[in-house]
Amino acid sequence: QVQLKESGPVLVQASETLSLTCTVSGFSLTNYGVIWVRQPPGKGLEWMGIIWRNGNTDYNSALKSRLSINRDTSKSQVFLKMNSLQTDDTAIYYCTREIEDWGQGVMVTVSS
Amino acid sequence: DVVLTQTPVSLLISLGGQASISCRSSQSLVHSNGNTYLHWYLQKPGQSPQLLIYQVSNRFSGIPDRFSGSGSGTDFTLKISRVEPEDLGVYYCLQRTHNPNTFGAGTKLELK
Repeated sequence: QVQLKESGPVLVQASETLSLTCTVSGFSLTNYGVIWVRQPPGKGLEWMGIIWRNGNTDYNSALKSRLSINRDTSKSQVFLKMNSLQTDDTAIYYCTREIEDWGQGVMVTVSS
Repeated sequence: DVVLTQTPVSLLISLGGQASISCRSSQSLVHSNGNTYLHWYLQKPGQSPQLLIYQVSNRFSGIPDRFSGSGSGTDFTLKISRVEPEDLGVYYCLQRTHNPNTFGAGTKLELK
């Protein structure tokens, strides 16, 4: 059974760095890509970036300068780091297996 | 980046009625391999998005045949026939042909 679970701090100060972990089970990170998507309260979905099964990455153009996605295949974990946080980075952050399976999301609030 | 324009922003439909949602792309979504990576999701209140239709017209596992997708190139449509209460929520299109991938802004389906 495929599962993805996001974890990380629920409150981050503005200007600091957000670090989130997506822990997966039921599939191998060398066989599927993992995507990060976020959703500000009451707004739509924003595609943030992907780490492909070969370890390559692609990022949303608007976030590229602040965002990095990495992984540890031995631990079945994917990591998101985004620096210089602002209050409009407040959102639910999801990780997904390609297009099919989604985690429950983690709500991150950026406080000024 | 590819811009996906979804219309309408919201839909008021009676139970048992039919809904149609348009997703238009700023450039062709036909990949160099000949496939078109345009997918449709439904996000019910308080839940993670769920995949309905992948690659334009293929229903995902467990999705009833009341949901159908069509289109080509830059113009795509999701139709929901015989609307049921569990169909309510926000519908999103996602293109994965071009990097970075992008979502449409969403269409909210509500009961009349």
